[in-house]
Amino acid sequence: DIQMTQSPSSLSASVGDRVTITCRASQGISNYLAWYQQKPGKVPKLLIYAASTLQSGVPSRFSGSGSGTDFTLTISSLQPEDVATYYCQKYNSALRAFGQGTKVEIK
Amino acid sequence: EVQLVQSGAEVKKPGESLKISCKGSGYSFTSYWIGWVRQMPGKGLEWMGIIYPGDSDTRYSPSFQGQVTISADKSISTAYLQWSSLKASDTAMYYCARHGRQYYDDDAFDIWGQGTMVTVSS
Repeated sequence: DIQMTQSPSSLSASVGDRVTITCRASQGISNYLAWYQQKPGKVPKLLIYAASTLQSGVPSRFSGSGSGTDFTLTISSLQPEDVATYYCQKYNSALRAFGQGTKVEIK
Repeated sequence: EVQLVQSGAEVKKPGESLKISCKGSGYSFTSYWIGWVRQMPGKGLEWMGIIYPGDSDTRYSPSFQGQVTISADKSISTAYLQWSSLKASDTAMYYCARHGRQYYDDDAFDIWGQGTMVTVSS
């Protein structure tokens, strides 16, 4: 099985800070990676697919990068409405697993 | 508007059967894979499986293979997730979600249902 490991599991940052979340695959997955945002009590929302393509309607402060085994989600300037848990997901092959999530809070 | 509308919350006893639904509208239901995602209370997202309503081709996570059945009725644009014998550990929120591109089984979920809470308790 290809495992997806996110880090950190949680973080606290100030409004306006640059925030980076990492997702590592145990084997190469090319660019078959998505990032989702789930606000408390809400439905998950697709932010980024194909590792770096911004989903329509998602603010440009969100960006993704990486290929192979190492991927990052960056929020260039953290806003109060970005408080959420963020999940990566690989979607190639038979096992389309999610990472364990990264909880982002405002300091 | 493209949307997925799920059936309402359920409260069941251990050993009972259950079938929850996810109705798609606003797009060609038969051309997009639909998946199911579990979220246990206070926990992360777990990919359960996907189905292609056009021909009912289905893929399961090994963790859920044999534990649930995913099906679809394309005549009414509805996908289903069912259990034959529920356990307390099946208590969770269940989301259906659609792949973003027609025909592609390797894709991200771009449209999500509102979720169906399933509670299993004696």
